Amino acid sequence: AQSVTQLGSHVSVSEGALVLLRCNYSSSVPPYLFWYVQYPNQGLQLLLKYTTGATLVKGINGFEAEFKKSETSFHLTKPSAHMSDAAEYFCAVSVPNQAGTALIFGKGTTLSVSS
Amino acid sequence: KAGVTQTPRYLIKTRGQQVTLSCSPISGHRSVSWYQQTPGQGLQFLFEYFSETQRNKGNFPGRFSGRQFSNSRSEMNVSTLELGDSALYLCASSFQENTEAFFGQGTRLTVV
Repeated sequence: AQSVTQLGSHVSVSEGALVLLRCNYSSSVPPYLFWYVQYPNQGLQLLLKYTTGATLVKGINGFEAEFKKSETSFHLTKPSAHMSDAAEYFCAVSVPNQAGTALIFGKGTTLSVSS
Repeated sequence: KAGVTQTPRYLIKTRGQQVTLSCSPISGHRSVSWYQQTPGQGLQFLFEYFSETQRNKGNFPGRFSGRQFSNSRSEMNVSTLELGDSALYLCASSFQENTEAFFGQGTRLTVV
């Protein structure tokens, strides 16, 4: 069975500082990995995804994540935080080549950005 | 291209009633998944439909059911509502299995 652990339910940074949101996964097979962002009273928006190939994945709004198989991690980073990045972030895993698609989500990390 | 549309956006129901939520996927997408989001449990997978067939189901009681129509639109139904069913229900559509999922804005259900 797959699972996702997001370390830190709340992360606070100053505007312009590095953003680092941590995600570790558990999967018996190489998974597909995703980061989604959710703004208040909104649905989820895909930031980036890892399926196969290059382990450093670039997404929208300057975010990127690196798949590290040895550490079973997929941490999300952004070099310089912006006020508009304040939102809730979810890491998710799915199993490729499995009939049916179910995303297993972490509990989420709320990012606060102060000026 | 229009995104995933969920209706209604907000619902208030009384305990014991039933409710039906609707989801229209992105044109051309045949996979529709449903998720429940609550502060306590987070985002939990309910079920997934592909070409009118349920392919995958999460760990929810039988009061939660769904279906998909030939035009890929999907509905989910919750019968005998309980207070704990209050949640944001999110629908996501995908072109095919294990491709990225695009989410709607959700339906906020409040059970009183």
